[in-house]
Amino acid sequence: AQKVTQAQTEISVVEKEDVTLDCVYETRDTTYYLFWYKQPPSGELVFLIRRNSFDEQNEISGRYSWNFQKSTSSFNFTITASQVVDSAVYFCALHSGIGFQKLVFGTGTRLLVSP
Amino acid sequence: NAGVTQTPKFQVLKTGQSMTLQCAQDMNHEYMSWYRQDPGMGLRLIHYSVGAGITDQGEVPNGYNVSRSTTEDFPLRLLSAAPSQTSVYFCASTGTGSSPLHFGNGTRLTVT
Repeated sequence: AQKVTQAQTEISVVEKEDVTLDCVYETRDTTYYLFWYKQPPSGELVFLIRRNSFDEQNEISGRYSWNFQKSTSSFNFTITASQVVDSAVYFCALHSGIGFQKLVFGTGTRLLVSP
Repeated sequence: NAGVTQTPKFQVLKTGQSMTLQCAQDMNHEYMSWYRQDPGMGLRLIHYSVGAGITDQGEVPNGYNVSRSTTEDFPLRLLSAAPSQTSVYFCASTGTGSSPLHFGNGTRLTVT
């Protein structure tokens, strides 16, 4: 069975602090994809990144970076120098195997960035 | 380019009523799906479709029906609404099995 665990329910930081959102996944498949989505207070779901199981390179996009470690089944997300606009719920999701994408979502981490 | 369009944005139903949540995409995506979002539970897959005329059940299909008569449209039907179906519903589409999903803006449904 596939499972995604986001143990941090809510994180509060002050602007300009760095923050890391944890994601731990479980799957028996060797081929899988991991995603991060952002849900701002307006409610829509915004795609942030996709990583496949054969690519363990970390990625940086502006203030965002992702650390994928197969050895610990983790795909953590770090925001550097957080801003108020980063306040949102962040979901980690897993698509395991091939064929139709049935995403398994974590329960989300609510990030509150205060000025 | 509208992407994925869901209607309505809000709906209140009484127990036992039926309704259809509409979903349309203009990206010619083969794959479409419906998820529900509940507090503390993330999003869960209700039904999905891999092309016109083909649908299948996801993780939480009970109480919902779907059909896919065209590539563009994928409506979700609640046959007899129950309070347990109070949730936010998201429709999504994608062109390939591993590409990121394009989500609609969601429908907030309350069943009293």
